[in-house]
Amino acid sequence: AQSVTQLGSHVSVSEGALVLLRCNYSSSVPPYLFWYVQYPNQGLQLLLKYTSAATLVKGINGFEAEFKKSETSFHLTKPSAHMSDAAEYFCAVITGTASKLTFGTGTRLQVTL
Amino acid sequence: DAMVIQNPRYQVTQFGKPVTLSCSQTLNHNVMYWYQQKSSQAPKLLFHYYDKDFNNEADTPDNFQSRRPNTSFCFLDIRSPGLGDAAMYLCATSRDRTGNYEQYFGPGTRLTVT
Repeated sequence: AQSVTQLGSHVSVSEGALVLLRCNYSSSVPPYLFWYVQYPNQGLQLLLKYTSAATLVKGINGFEAEFKKSETSFHLTKPSAHMSDAAEYFCAVITGTASKLTFGTGTRLQVTL
Repeated sequence: DAMVIQNPRYQVTQFGKPVTLSCSQTLNHNVMYWYQQKSSQAPKLLFHYYDKDFNNEADTPDNFQSRRPNTSFCFLDIRSPGLGDAAMYLCATSRDRTGNYEQYFGPGTRLTVT
């Protein structure tokens, strides 16, 4: 069965600093990987997705993620954090024709002045 | 703008009193999903419709039911809410079920059970 693990339930960075949110996946077949962001009392918004077209995926709001098969990772990065980036971030995986998105436990990003 | 709409955004119900949550979409997607998200947890899939075909997750309690009368609308019925059913309920849609098609989420309905 496919799964994702997010290391670090809370990450705090200073405004302007690099954001790095970690996600490792487990899948016996090539996965489809997603990063979603959730602001308080809101639904989930797709930041980016990996569907095997390119290993470096650029998303909205300046975020990007790199698929590394050798490390089974799909870490999310942003060069310079903004206060508006403070939110909960979920990594998720779908494999093959399965209809189910399996989410990681989430990482809460705090951005400080 | 095409979107996923959930009503109401906040719902309060009494213990044991049936409640219905509503989801509509203007994306004309084939698939509609219902997730339950408890505080500080990841969303958990309850069930989904692929067109008119209902697909229940094995661990979804019988207390939760769903209806999809047409492509645009999907309802979540909780027959006898318990205190443990208090959560955010998220509706999502996708064009199809493969990983090529991302899911689009509504804003959610926060359910409180008193």
